[in-house]
Amino acid sequence: GENVEQHPSTLSVQEGDSAVIKCTYSDSASNYFPWYKQELGKGPQLIIDIRSNVGEKKDQRIAVTLNKTAKHFSLHITETQPEDSAVYFCAANAGGTSYGKLTFGQGTILTVHP
Amino acid sequence: EADIYQTPRYLVIGTGKKITLECSQTMGHDKMYWYQQDPGMELHLIHYSYGVNSTEKGDLSSESTVSRIRTEHFPLTLESARPSHTSQYLCASSGNVNTEAFFGQGTRLTVV
Repeated sequence: GENVEQHPSTLSVQEGDSAVIKCTYSDSASNYFPWYKQELGKGPQLIIDIRSNVGEKKDQRIAVTLNKTAKHFSLHITETQPEDSAVYFCAANAGGTSYGKLTFGQGTILTVHP
Repeated sequence: EADIYQTPRYLVIGTGKKITLECSQTMGHDKMYWYQQDPGMELHLIHYSYGVNSTEKGDLSSESTVSRIRTEHFPLTLESARPSHTSQYLCASSGNVNTEAFFGQGTRLTVV
């Protein structure tokens, strides 16, 4: 089955700095790669996603890059703010199946210091 | 804000009790999912459904069972709760075409 590895497990940055989280996946049939943000006491919320026919996608301060050959994808957050502090999860849809049947990475606790 | 609701939000229950965690969505999504999230944070798929009367087991083995009698409703049942079932259970749904999955707020279950 699919295996998704996520690094780092914790990330601490100063407000205004950039943050980068990296993930690798194993199933070459996966074709959808979402990133979810989970705040304390809440369910995961989608912040950005990318499909396998695209190499990069940007939405304001957030961007995701995908390298299909190397089977890795990354989340980039620029100009970080304290409200960006949360747990971030990458995921992949194993076997190219539905966009909700996901294998998740281990999560990254991002702390942005004012 | 996603229209997917889970009840209860928190549940503390004794060993051996039968419990049902409720999940409902008002988006008309055909596909629904249950994920288990342990304190170590990683989410694991335990059940999914692609429509009424369709249920499948996920990647992580679970003693829970699910049913899908109505499109909007996907309850999860534990016949006899044990301390090893203590975890957070997250419900999600996605549309018929390839669209993102929306998650509920979760139910945090503690079995004592």
